[in-house]
Amino acid sequence: DTAVSQTPKYLVTQMGNDKSIKCEQNLGHDTMYWYKQDSKKFLKIMFSYNNKELIINETVPNRFSPKSPDKAHLNLHINSLELGDSAVYFCASSQDHGGTNNEQFFGPGTRLTVL
Amino acid sequence: GEDVEQSLFLSVREGDSSVINCTYTDSSSTYLYWYKQEPGAGLQLLTYIFSNMDMKQDQRLTVLLNKKDKHLSLRIADTQTGDSAIYFCAELNQAGTALIFGKGTTLSVSS
Repeated sequence: DTAVSQTPKYLVTQMGNDKSIKCEQNLGHDTMYWYKQDSKKFLKIMFSYNNKELIINETVPNRFSPKSPDKAHLNLHINSLELGDSAVYFCASSQDHGGTNNEQFFGPGTRLTVL
Repeated sequence: GEDVEQSLFLSVREGDSSVINCTYTDSSSTYLYWYKQEPGAGLQLLTYIFSNMDMKQDQRLTVLLNKKDKHLSLRIADTQTGDSAIYFCAELNQAGTALIFGKGTTLSVSS
């Protein structure tokens, strides 16, 4: 059973389009995250949600909007896609946040290519 | 601010030991992690260490933490070609709400 799953695995789209990436975890975790990995493999936190509430919103353009319909899902919607948005986006989850351990489990990633 | 630094590349021969080093800036970090990323794959947690520990061993992996120097290392004994991957060091941010990653060390193992 896949613990953290993301769809789609690959996404190729034109500049200016709007797209969504979905993430689901079946671990019963309370906290979910989105990370962006750029072409140089550098990983950076974008958002963190705990029990459907936003905890972290790093310096991310407001074209990016996370949505958490329930504790097990955290989707990422991106408006007006730009070339610089091309990257691999990873979803992750952890039991809690700010607690004694923040062991995070990562999804397989979604490779977004903006043409 | 919080920052994590790693060397970018390491090349070893099969059977040798690999040591990947990392330095971090936040002295209040409670947990430090090592993640492995194989080509085209997601991140896999290898091991973590709590800040009150100096060393942790798990089979072929040994983590050493020097809190005074804010230095973390991962030693892989008897390195195999299957260990070729990118290894990320990460610290938990001050609020405990996200991981701060280093840029990753690409380990290349030759036979």
